[in-house]
Amino acid sequence: AQSVTQLGSHVSVSEGALVLLRCNYSSSVPPYLFWYVQYPNQGLQLLLKYTTGATLVKGINGFEAEFKKSETSFHLTKPSAHMSDAAEYFCAVSPKGAAGNKLTFGGGTRVLVKP
Amino acid sequence: GAGVSQSPSNKVTEKGKDVELRCDPISGHTALYWYRQSLGQGLEFLIYFQGNSAPDKSGLPSDRFSAERTGGSVSTLTIQRTQQEDSAVYLCASSLGSLGGGTDTQYFGPGTRLTVL
Repeated sequence: AQSVTQLGSHVSVSEGALVLLRCNYSSSVPPYLFWYVQYPNQGLQLLLKYTTGATLVKGINGFEAEFKKSETSFHLTKPSAHMSDAAEYFCAVSPKGAAGNKLTFGGGTRVLVKP
Repeated sequence: GAGVSQSPSNKVTEKGKDVELRCDPISGHTALYWYRQSLGQGLEFLIYFQGNSAPDKSGLPSDRFSAERTGGSVSTLTIQRTQQEDSAVYLCASSLGSLGGGTDTQYFGPGTRLTVL
């Protein structure tokens, strides 16, 4: 069975500082990897995903993530935080070769951006 | 174009009552998913539809939960004899649908917040 661990349920960063959100997965075969963002009272929006190819993936709003197979990680970064980045972020995985795209989510990390 | 829509946005019900939650996916999306988001359990997969069939119902927590999809479009999630632990936000997502892929982007609706008193 797959599982996803996000280190830190809450992260506080200053505006302009680096944002680093950690995600580790547990799976016998490296899965497909996703980061989603959820703004208050809204559904989830895809930030980026890794399926194959280059391990450094760039997404929307200046975010990027790097798949590291040896570390079973897919950490999300943004060089300079903006006030609008305040939201909850979810790392998710889906198994390769399966019908459909059933997502298993981490517990989420809520980001607070201080002015 | 229009995104995934869900109705109602909020539902308050009494314990023991049945509820129906509706999801309208993006037009042309053959895959549809239901998830549940609760404080205690986080985000959990419930069921996956490809067309009108549900090849994966593994996340439905009990036989009080059921879902159907008609015409390859609208889906309804039904919870019978609701319990307080059913209180959560129920999210629907749709995607283009790809066989054996799993790389499709899922587009999520805003959710239905269910409160069971």
